Amino acid sequence: KAGVTQTPRYLIKTRGQQVTLSCSPISGHRSVSWYQQTPGQGLQFLFEYFSETQRNKGNFPGRFSGRQFSNSRSEMNVSTLELGDSALYLCASSRTGKVGETQYFGPGTRLLVL
Amino acid sequence: QKEVEQDPGPLSVPEGAIVSLNCTYSNSAFQYFMWYRQYSRKGPELLMYTYSSGNKEDGRFTAQVDKSSKYISLFIRDSQPSDSATYLCAMTWGGNQGGKLIFGQGTELSVKP
Repeated sequence: KAGVTQTPRYLIKTRGQQVTLSCSPISGHRSVSWYQQTPGQGLQFLFEYFSETQRNKGNFPGRFSGRQFSNSRSEMNVSTLELGDSALYLCASSRTGKVGETQYFGPGTRLLVL
Repeated sequence: QKEVEQDPGPLSVPEGAIVSLNCTYSNSAFQYFMWYRQYSRKGPELLMYTYSSGNKEDGRFTAQVDKSSKYISLFIRDSQPSDSATYLCAMTWGGNQGGKLIFGQGTELSVKP
């Protein structure tokens, strides 16, 4: 069974640009969550999508947005990039997102903003 | 103050040692507690999952939860060099919150042969 895949794996952008990251969950998984990981703040929850609807949201500015497609694949978008957005962006999937289910993480997309 | 506090380390121990990793939290509504392990350049992988207070054992790993003290621990017995990784505690509420995990900072562990 294929794991969670994320594309691209590495990305370099400049301040002010926007970026779109993609996540393909494990087959049959309908919940996709996104996290930002930085050395200073650790792993922080961005948002979760289930059945194409945002179900939970973290405390990030509106520049961070996401969506989920009918095949459960998800994208996240960051507009007007800032230097502080440099981070490892991880997505995780589970069957329904209910507690008790294991969340499986992808390898992440490493974003560098110059 | 962060909702979940975890000593970032780094922690260095000799092979065979018992390792103790800890997290404290402030939100008493958390009910589900997890430990993840993250190797360099990889995503986190789930090690242990516990509900409410108590102990859970899985091979060389034991997870403890003390809700009255808002304190959770992970013990690794007979540590191996392959255990060298960053260990992250995570917690969440109930119901449909399983997709929203609150993580500690992570503790970097190095087990020396």
